[in-house]
Amino acid sequence: NAGVTQTPKFQVLKTGQSMTLQCAQDMNHNSMYWYRQDPGMGLRLIYYSASEGTTDKGEVPNGYNVSRLNKREFSLRLESAAPSQTSVYFCASRDTNTGELFFGEGSRLTVL
Amino acid sequence: GQQLNQSPQSMFIQEGEDVSMNCTSSSIFNTWLWYKQDPGEGPVLLIALYKAGELTSNGRLTAQFGITRKDSFLNISASIPSDVGIYFCAGQLSTGTASKLTFGTGTRLQVTL
Repeated sequence: NAGVTQTPKFQVLKTGQSMTLQCAQDMNHNSMYWYRQDPGMGLRLIYYSASEGTTDKGEVPNGYNVSRLNKREFSLRLESAAPSQTSVYFCASRDTNTGELFFGEGSRLTVL
Repeated sequence: GQQLNQSPQSMFIQEGEDVSMNCTSSSIFNTWLWYKQDPGEGPVLLIALYKAGELTSNGRLTAQFGITRKDSFLNISASIPSDVGIYFCAGQLSTGTASKLTFGTGTRLQVTL
């Protein structure tokens, strides 16, 4: 079972460059999420999509944009990367019956 | 943004020892979830709690949903080396599509032989 698939797994950017993190889930979940994980900060919500066609800001949305391309895919874009965006990014989808979040394996981004 | 207070931040224990960690919130939740993250992986659900006072076990793991709905704890009995990782609590008010999980800051567990 693929579950939640994220790409790329690793990326190094220079300040000011742009990139898109891709995420796809095959569990037919309506809700999808993007989190970032920093040491000592736990998981912080960047953006989420409650259903296809909708997106909303989370705790730390500045510097990011998202697109819910269809029910399966939810991408995260950094238009002009900054060193403060160096982090590990996790995509997740949620089973709204149980509340359980299913996470991808993470994308480690370094901005120099 | 709100985050849950999770303690301890880290633990170093010997194989065979029991472990206890907890999470507290200033807000009530209707669901508590406990996740484990192995190095280089995404978090994986260990136990889900849906009712105040509920006590649920999953093998050597036991978790409880606090009566006040503002706290939860996780116990691991007879720890083994593969218990190493970061444990996160997470709470949410509802399971509807617009509901979001709030995560604790994590407890990093190290197990020595």
